[in-house]
Amino acid sequence: ETGVTQSPTHLIKTRGQQVTLRCSSQSGHNTVSWYQQALGQGPQFIFQYYREEENGRGNFPPRFSGLQFPNYSSELNVNALELDDSALYLCASSLGGIGGMNEQFFGPGTRLTVL
Amino acid sequence: DQQVKQNSPSLSVQEGRISILNCDYTNSMFDYFLWYKKYPAEGPTFLISISSIKDKNEDGRFTVFLNKSAKHLSLHIVPSQPGDSAVYFCAASGLRSNYQLIWGAGTKLIIKP
Repeated sequence: ETGVTQSPTHLIKTRGQQVTLRCSSQSGHNTVSWYQQALGQGPQFIFQYYREEENGRGNFPPRFSGLQFPNYSSELNVNALELDDSALYLCASSLGGIGGMNEQFFGPGTRLTVL
Repeated sequence: DQQVKQNSPSLSVQEGRISILNCDYTNSMFDYFLWYKKYPAEGPTFLISISSIKDKNEDGRFTVFLNKSAKHLSLHIVPSQPGDSAVYFCAASGLRSNYQLIWGAGTKLIIKP
């Protein structure tokens, strides 16, 4: 059984650029959630995708967008990067579309640095 | 508006003793609480959870206690082992958050040999 994987591991961008982060779900999981974890803080929910449809969104601006593909892998896109977007981005997969009621399995994260 | 608070950024405990990690929440609509453990360079891993209809849940060395009147939960680890050294996150979920997880800032637990 393959766990949740994320790519790239690290990324450095400059302000105003765009970035795409990728996540492969654990086998059999149809739900993907994305989180932003700033230094010294807990993860903050960005959004969740269930069977290719957005199934909930946190308090993040529209320049944060996502996709889920038929194989349930997912992308997080961030446009017009700002310095405050520097963080660890975590992807979690689960079975079923009901938020935190189902155990979420996390990838190791992508560390994004915006200069 | 920090709905889930872990007020101790770090905690140091002797190996073999009890570790107690605390978490407070402000939203009485939360009805499900979880603890996650995170090692450096890895994602968080689920440890133990508790529903609001219970006041205690036990799994091996790990026990979570919930005090709804005080809006407080705690994680007890007995006995503490070196491999328990990690960052522990408390998270809450409920109808008001559309069942999405709301996380605390984490507590770094250090087990001393």
